[in-house]
Amino acid sequence: EAGVAQSPRYKIIEKRQSVAFWCNPISGHATLYWYQQILGQGPKLLIQFQNNGVVDDSQLPKDRFSAERLKGVDSTLKIQPAKLEDSAVYLCASSWPAGAKNIQYFGAGTRLSVL
Amino acid sequence: AQTVTQSQPEMSVQEAETVTLSCTYDTSESDYYLFWYKQPPSRQMILVIRQEAYKQQNATENRFSVNFQKAAKSFSLKISDSQLGDAAMYFCAYRRDTGTASKLTFGTGTRLQVTL
Repeated sequence: EAGVAQSPRYKIIEKRQSVAFWCNPISGHATLYWYQQILGQGPKLLIQFQNNGVVDDSQLPKDRFSAERLKGVDSTLKIQPAKLEDSAVYLCASSWPAGAKNIQYFGAGTRLSVL
Repeated sequence: AQTVTQSQPEMSVQEAETVTLSCTYDTSESDYYLFWYKQPPSRQMILVIRQEAYKQQNATENRFSVNFQKAAKSFSLKISDSQLGDAAMYFCAYRRDTGTASKLTFGTGTRLQVTL
């Protein structure tokens, strides 16, 4: 079974530029998550999708971050414009819907450096 | 809001020995899940073990076991017969499902070193 795929692996941009990350979940997983992991901290949820609908985006900085999951499969997270404090690893995870079977499987993440 | 605290930023263990990583959490809920994830330098979070709060029996997975103390809100991870491949960051995480919302709340992690 293929795991969660993310690209790119690394990205370096200058502040005020825009950037996009891509995630392809495990086949059949209806639920998709984006987490932000700042150096020295645990991951923090940015947004959760179930199929192509948003379940929780309460911690997404909506003035600069946006995410979509067209057709309920892969997803894109965008930052525009980027700030220095956006430097972090962006992790994507997928799972079955909430419940005892809900185990979140993570991708390898994208490390973003904003200069 | 739920919080997860890992008070040990770094731990070290000799190969073949046993080590225990600590985790405490704060919640007013009675039904939730607890997890330990491992994050090697490759960055991918790997599930080590999970515990359902309604189960009194402590979860075990091969060399990994937990000590779940619900009243004390404590969830420690014991690694037995430590191996070099166990070296990584370990994160404790809490999850409470509310309808379809099921976010993980993570602690700040413990870096485990395994020495020869």
